[in-house]
Amino acid sequence: EVQLQESGPGLVKPSQSLSLTCSVTGYSITSNYWGWIRKFPGNKMEWMGYISYSGSTSYNPSLKSRISITRDTSKNQFFLQLNSVTTEDTATYYCARYRLQIGDYWGQGVMVTVSS
Amino acid sequence: DIQMTQTPSSMPASLGERVTISCRASQGISNYLNWYQQKPDGTIKPLIYYTSNLQSGVPSRFSGSGSGTDYSLTISSLEPEDFAMYYCQQYDSSPLTFGSGTKLEIK
Repeated sequence: EVQLQESGPGLVKPSQSLSLTCSVTGYSITSNYWGWIRKFPGNKMEWMGYISYSGSTSYNPSLKSRISITRDTSKNQFFLQLNSVTTEDTATYYCARYRLQIGDYWGQGVMVTVSS
Repeated sequence: DIQMTQTPSSMPASLGERVTISCRASQGISNYLNWYQQKPDGTIKPLIYYTSNLQSGVPSRFSGSGSGTDYSLTISSLEPEDFAMYYCQQYDSSPLTFGSGTKLEIK
């Protein structure tokens, strides 16, 4: 069974970088697409970007200057880095597998608070 | 970006009731529309892809329809496990964008 698990610090200071890991079991990240999505307090959902089976990336233009999605195929993990965070980046962050344009497997989510 | 307007934002409903959630895109999205369910514990599950195709394992009481800019999710007879948040999401163009969500609550 495909499983995804997010991990990373739950508290980040403003202006610092947010770094999260998505560990995947049961399926190779060298197939399909692997994305990051976040849900803000108040329920708004935002697609942040994804990394493809080949390692190419696509990002939400609203984040383009701050976001980087990378991967380690040997560990079957992919990563999110978001630079220069502010309190407006406080959200629950999810990783997901995208197959046939739908996120068909999702992690449980990790809550990240940006606060000094 | 394509804006997705989802209505209603919340909906009280009873067990066994038929409910419909609507989603309107700011421009035509050629049926490239998915629906997701989020449970109170945060778990997110895909329900429907490409407007009307049921994801594997999703009960047949869920259905989707629509075209152009207007789409809907219908649950034919509410079960206890259906009380959750629902989101539409377009993938006609990047960036993928979501509706604002509908909270289905027990009346």
